[in-house]
Amino acid sequence: NAGVMQNPRHLVRRRGQEARLRCSPMKGHSHVYWYRQLPEEGLKFMVYLQKENIIDESGMPKERFSAEFPKEGPSILRIQQVVRGDSAAYFCASSRSGRSSYNSPLHFGNGTRLTVT
Amino acid sequence: AQKITQTQPGMFVQEKEAVTLDCTYDTSDQSYGLFWYKQPSSGEMIFLIYQGSYDEQNATEGRYSLNFQKARKSANLVISASQLGDSAMYFCAMREGRPSGSARQLTFGSGTQLTVLP
Repeated sequence: NAGVMQNPRHLVRRRGQEARLRCSPMKGHSHVYWYRQLPEEGLKFMVYLQKENIIDESGMPKERFSAEFPKEGPSILRIQQVVRGDSAAYFCASSRSGRSSYNSPLHFGNGTRLTVT
Repeated sequence: AQKITQTQPGMFVQEKEAVTLDCTYDTSDQSYGLFWYKQPSSGEMIFLIYQGSYDEQNATEGRYSLNFQKARKSANLVISASQLGDSAMYFCAMREGRPSGSARQLTFGSGTQLTVLP
């Protein structure tokens, strides 16, 4: 009974390298949300995708960050040329449909902790 | 303006006692949902309870209940009979409805760190 699966659980990158974070939604879910949590803060929305389509990227930094959710395979959050300020926990959540009710909770994966050295 | 405000950065409660974690929200939408999540030190986000804006009764889920006061725009979480395992960060969140019928993403507050004392 797999929930939302994220990997890796921990990722260490040196400044300037690329980070790739993967998220496999729950079975039957075709919508994915990415959130970032900086230390001692709440989760901040980054991007909302459905298969092969970005629905809302209003929370994504304009540079270096990109996200995709291909027809086959997991959703990928990609951070190019990482900097120390990118160190955070990145969470993914999924839902069955974008038309899900406003009173449907999002179920989250365990997150990827990115550390930039 | 903050959509979700949690004014208690930290709270302490004695084991077996009840504790209330405060949450106020700001929205002009008529349709919305309010949620509480627990984040233990291990880091995962655990969904606890939700309240819909049209629900007339307060939500309850085991030892968790939500004290929903719509006119005051507050949705406080009450944990009864606190246990040591309740020590964690607690986040209040809101999901607003869109006119088209689909839902917006969750917006989170800054959290309250609850410590249960033996």
